[in-house]
Amino acid sequence: QITLKESGPTLVKATQTLTLTCTFSGFSLSTSAAGVGWIRQPPGKALEWLAVRYWDDDKRYSPSLESRLTITEDTPKNQVVLTMTNMDPVDTGTYYCAHVDILTGYGLFDYWGQGTLVTVSS
Amino acid sequence: DIQMTQSPSSLSASVGDRVTISCRASQSISTYLNWYQQRPGRAPKLLISAASTLQSGVPSRFSGSGSGTDFTLTISSLQPEDFATYFCQQSYFTPLTFGGGTKVEI
Repeated sequence: QITLKESGPTLVKATQTLTLTCTFSGFSLSTSAAGVGWIRQPPGKALEWLAVRYWDDDKRYSPSLESRLTITEDTPKNQVVLTMTNMDPVDTGTYYCAHVDILTGYGLFDYWGQGTLVTVSS
Repeated sequence: DIQMTQSPSSLSASVGDRVTISCRASQSISTYLNWYQQRPGRAPKLLISAASTLQSGVPSRFSGSGSGTDFTLTISSLQPEDFATYFCQQSYFTPLTFGGGTKVEI
């Protein structure tokens, strides 16, 4: 059974760096043809893909946010970490991590964490 | 980037209605199109992958069709638990992109 859970601060100040951790179980990034992705959703708005780390260490980022994002992993701990620098109030929203199934192209999100609401204060 | 455009952005329907939601890609994505349902306060749930493959446990009243640039999600007989927001997502290229969502309301 695949599960994922996000953890990190619920409140950050503008210009600070946000660090979110996704702790997962039920699969391994080192042996599975899969990945872990990050998606966010401002309140009342659409989903926005941020980044993905594939099983083969390939990492992809949203072009509009690439300069601010870094995705890393702690494979023995089954964790994937997303850092986002220079936070702004427009970055307020719910941040999700999700298991990426690569059987269809570059991936669909078949298991999701519960999400964590991050508020950026000015 | 591949832009995904959903229509309508919202719709009102009744229990038992047939509902159709459209998703258009800015370029051909073959059948690399996935649909998600999101209920208020919940994480999205994958309904359909590869344009038409129903995920395990998803009721058969949901169906998907299309290829290339035009796709459709159909709910054959709307149930109370189907009132939610639906998103399409292309997995043909990175950046992975989502549609703007369609909110299905009573």
